[in-house]
Amino acid sequence: GENVGLHLPTLSVQEGDNSIINCAYSNSASDYFIWYKQESGKGPQFIIDIRSNMDKRQGQRVTVLLNKTVKHLSLQIAATQPGDSAVYFCAENNQNTGFQKLVFGTGTRLLVSP
Amino acid sequence: DTGVSQDPRHKITKRGQNVTFRCDPISEHNRLYWYRQTLGQGPEFLTYFQNEAQLEKSRLLSDRFSAERPKGSFSTLEIQRTEQGDSAMYLCASSRGLAGGPTNTGELFFGEGSRLTVL
Repeated sequence: GENVGLHLPTLSVQEGDNSIINCAYSNSASDYFIWYKQESGKGPQFIIDIRSNMDKRQGQRVTVLLNKTVKHLSLQIAATQPGDSAVYFCAENNQNTGFQKLVFGTGTRLLVSP
Repeated sequence: DTGVSQDPRHKITKRGQNVTFRCDPISEHNRLYWYRQTLGQGPEFLTYFQNEAQLEKSRLLSDRFSAERPKGSFSTLEIQRTEQGDSAMYLCASSRGLAGGPTNTGELFFGEGSRLTVL
């Protein structure tokens, strides 16, 4: 939403650099994870997801890495562009709940300078 | 536009007044969710519908909050006797099915949200 992330951790990168955004999740029973991008004044937008039986998944310019041992998730964005500037949230879900009750992390603001 | 739509986008009200938000999900999606987002935080789950049945409610949803999805299509979220602490962005999302199913990725499609300011 608007003004999301006034006090969020911020990652500042130059255009063309690779970005890595990290997330620690808390529930060891979580078995499905999603990264969302939220631009100012907009709702969260799906980027990529990963199930717990995988440790890496690649999309277009994005890669998600999952380390279940330390309950850590990361989002790598290759060749970051100014349009990637937004707040990024990881979300976790336990499919045994029977529905997507996504639990969102705090978020990280990504600022890309031209 | 065939995405999730929410109305109104912005609502300013005085404390004690009632407000209602509407969500129109993607037409073929049978699951609908309401989330609340405050400044600097990620969205927090409020409630979930599968078709017209409300199957889960968060403890965040006090008795002043009520959500309905009478015909399994659009949904409304009403807040009675609003308080300043209700000021937030109310997000609606929809999905076709459960994560990991054979025909979907489990993605929740979010609307642009309804921002509530209680004075």
